[in-house]
This record gives sequence, C-alpha cells and structure tokens, in this order.
Amino acid sequence: QSVLTQPPSASGTPGQRVTISCSGSSSNIGSNYVYWYQQLPGTAPKLLIYRNNQRPSGVPDRFSGSKSGTSASLAISGLRSEDEADYYCAAWDDSLSGYWVFGGGTKLTVL
Amino acid sequence: QITLKESGPTLVKPTQTLTLTCTFSGFSLSTSGVGVGWIRQPPGKALEWLALIYWDDDKRYSPSLKSRLTITKDTSKNQVVLTMTNMDPVDTATYYCALETVGATDAFDIWGQGTMVTVSS
Repeated sequence: QSVLTQPPSASGTPGQRVTISCSGSSSNIGSNYVYWYQQLPGTAPKLLIYRNNQRPSGVPDRFSGSKSGTSASLAISGLRSEDEADYYCAAWDDSLSGYWVFGGGTKLTVL
Repeated sequence: QITLKESGPTLVKPTQTLTLTCTFSGFSLSTSGVGVGWIRQPPGKALEWLALIYWDDDKRYSPSLKSRLTITKDTSKNQVVLTMTNMDPVDTATYYCALETVGATDAFDIWGQGTMVTVSS
C-alpha cells in the first residue's frame, strides 16, 4: 500500500493530452515538493519533473507538473508512442524523522 | 559523467542478511548537498524507498523497515553499503541506488541499473 495514491492505469492516443494524478497528505505533498519519475519497460526510473513543475535538462516540454494542496498532476501533451511507460510520483514526508514516499505508479498505454 | 552501480548476491536464503554495495563515480559523497539512496521494486510492483545517507553522514530510513536496515558510506572508496537483516521472500526485488542532490533538484537525479535479489530457500 503506497503512501501516495495514483491511478493504476491511464491511456491515450498519439497527439492527445493525458494527465496522471497523485494524491497525498499534509505531511508530504501538502508541505513539500512533488517529483515525477518515468520508468520505461525494463529500465531504471528517470527523473522527469522536480520541485512540482521543473524539468531536468533534456526532458521535453510536453511533460509538465502541477500541485495544488495535497494533490499533484503530471500532464503529457502531444502523446507519443515512446511515452508508454510507468510513471511514479514522489515526495518527502515530514512525519517521524522524514522519509521519501512514492506513489503506486501509473502505467500509461499509448493506444 | 556520473554513474552508479549496484552489486551483491542475486540469491539469499530466508533469515539471512543481505549486503548490497553501490559503487559510484563522477561525484564525491563528501561534497555538501550530496546523498545516495536505495530504492527497491518487487517484480511487477511499485517503487519503495528504503534508505538514504547524506554527505554529512545524516541517515534516513523507511519507517516500516528501519529495524532491519543499516546504511553506511566509505567516501574513500566511493561506495555506499546497505544491509538488510532477516530477509524474507517478500523482499525479492530489484534494488536500485540513486544520487540525490540537495539544493539542486532535491531528487534522485541519477539511478544505477539495479540489481535483482531473489529470496528463496
């Protein structure tokens, strides 16, 4: 049972815009940044979005992140077949002595 | 170029202790703002964060696994070691180490390729 809640699946057709949600609580998303990772099949995760809405160098601007209260979203516009992957949200949780929490992951299928 | 690589046994027996080593290059764990973390992923399941050690030797652990985990660093060897005691079949997973840069992205920027560990008698 992951601390952050994501839908298990999402889908879209090429060119479409899709969004993936991530729900948390006041001790994690509500008080800290949200991060998104992309995991292509058979590979290690890759940082996609940091500090809610910042893209590392090399990440296309088709990917965008947002946060409101205790929830966050990842949006992918102009969907491409190579975007088919698992997407994970993450945040620091301030409870106890502090620790990272991840979402359960969302498998994105490009139809 | 920054790289991280995990190493350790591919098979451990239940109740045994797992020792994994993350060997990295391209950065120093004595540099302010640098941390190395461990994250695992059971087959077909989600990522689970395990532990993290910072340049100043601050250590953080997953609350649910804290009693079983120990993370240490050897700055001179560019290595971080994670030990997990009392292994169980549910601990079967791919274990990743990753670089966290505090004050930059504050995230796990670079990941190792992962190492698969199976727990079975």
